[in-house]
Amino acid sequence: AQSVTQLGSHVSVSEGALVLLRCNYSSSVPPYLFWYVQYPNQGLQLLLKYTTGATLVKGINGFEAEFKKSETSFHLTKPSAHMSDAAEYFCAVSDLQAGTALIFGKGTTLSVSS
Amino acid sequence: DSGVTQTPKHLITATGQRVTLRCSPRSGDLSVYWYQQSLDQGLQFLIQYYNGEERAKGNILERFSAQQFPDLHSELNLSSLELGDSALYFCASSVDPTGSYEQYFGPGTRLTVT
Repeated sequence: AQSVTQLGSHVSVSEGALVLLRCNYSSSVPPYLFWYVQYPNQGLQLLLKYTTGATLVKGINGFEAEFKKSETSFHLTKPSAHMSDAAEYFCAVSDLQAGTALIFGKGTTLSVSS
Repeated sequence: DSGVTQTPKHLITATGQRVTLRCSPRSGDLSVYWYQQSLDQGLQFLIQYYNGEERAKGNILERFSAQQFPDLHSELNLSSLELGDSALYFCASSVDPTGSYEQYFGPGTRLTVT
């Protein structure tokens, strides 16, 4: 069965610092991978996705992620954090064996201090 | 705005009662997914419909049911409610069910069972 592990339930960075949110997946088939962001009291918004092709994926708001098959990882990065990046971030894999629903990690809360 | 609408935004009800949550997918999307977000379980997939037909089931309780109507809107019915059913319920839609297309999430319905 597919699964997603997000390392670190809470990450704190200073404004302008590098953001690194870690995600590892388990999948017996080539995965479709996604990062979503959830701001307080809002729904989930797609940041970026990997399906096939280029392993470095660029998303919205300056975020990017790299698919590394050998490490079964899909870490999310942003070179310079902004206060508005404070939110909860979810890594997800598409469950291709069961209707393609998303399997989510437990989420990482990003705090940005000035 | 994702284009996915959910009503109501908030729902407060008592144990043992039954409620119906409604979702309208983005224009053109045939696939609808329901997810439950709670503090202890995180984001969990409940059920998926594609063009009116049930496509996949996740961790959906027998007390819960759903359907997708000919106009593609979907309803999630929760009955014999328990305190533990209090959660945020999200609907998501996608243009197709293959998993490579992103899912667009609605703002959610917050259910409180007292």
